[in-house]
Amino acid sequence: DAGVIQSPRHEVTEMGQEVTLRCKPISGHDYLFWYRQTMMRGLELLIYFNNNVPIDDSGMPEDRFSAKMPNASFSTLKIQPSEPRDSAVYFCASSSGTSSGNTIYFGEGSWLTVV
Amino acid sequence: AQKVTQAQTEISVVEKEDVTLDCVYETRDTTYYLFWYKQPPSGELVFLIRRNSFDEQNEISGRYSWNFQKSTSSFNFTITASQVVDSAVYFCALSEYSSASKIIFGSGTRLSIRP
Repeated sequence: DAGVIQSPRHEVTEMGQEVTLRCKPISGHDYLFWYRQTMMRGLELLIYFNNNVPIDDSGMPEDRFSAKMPNASFSTLKIQPSEPRDSAVYFCASSSGTSSGNTIYFGEGSWLTVV
Repeated sequence: AQKVTQAQTEISVVEKEDVTLDCVYETRDTTYYLFWYKQPPSGELVFLIRRNSFDEQNEISGRYSWNFQKSTSSFNFTITASQVVDSAVYFCALSEYSSASKIIFGSGTRLSIRP
């Protein structure tokens, strides 16, 4: 079975440009998570969705970040305008089930560099 | 609020030694879930184990074993007869029942196995 699929795998962009990261969760999973990993802050949960509805976006750093999930098989994380401090690995993950504590499975990550 | 502490930032051992990675957690919930993930140099996050708060039985899987002790709020991970391929960053994580699938990660322990 296909795992969580993220694109692009690597992105280098100039400061001020818009960046869009994409994610396709595992089929049948009803939870989708966006995490960011940096050396300084480790793995941070940015936002997560249940059945396409955002449940908790308290980790989104600022208004420059936005996430959408228009359907069960697709989500985007957008940064506009991007800044050098946004350079990080962005992971998408998904899980299934209605109870808490379900195992989440990660994509391979999108490595973002803002210069 | 939920919190996961991995006090060991880096550990380096010689191949074939046993090594234990510590994880201490904080939660107010009586129902919660604990996880370990592995992040090898290639960067992906690989699920290793999930335990719920009602199951304090230790678990062994090959060279890996996990010791869950509610009395000390710890969920430690031991690798027996370590191998170079075990070199990775290991993350402990916690999900509270009340947080509806939100998983918080510790800062990770970088494990280096020297040949």
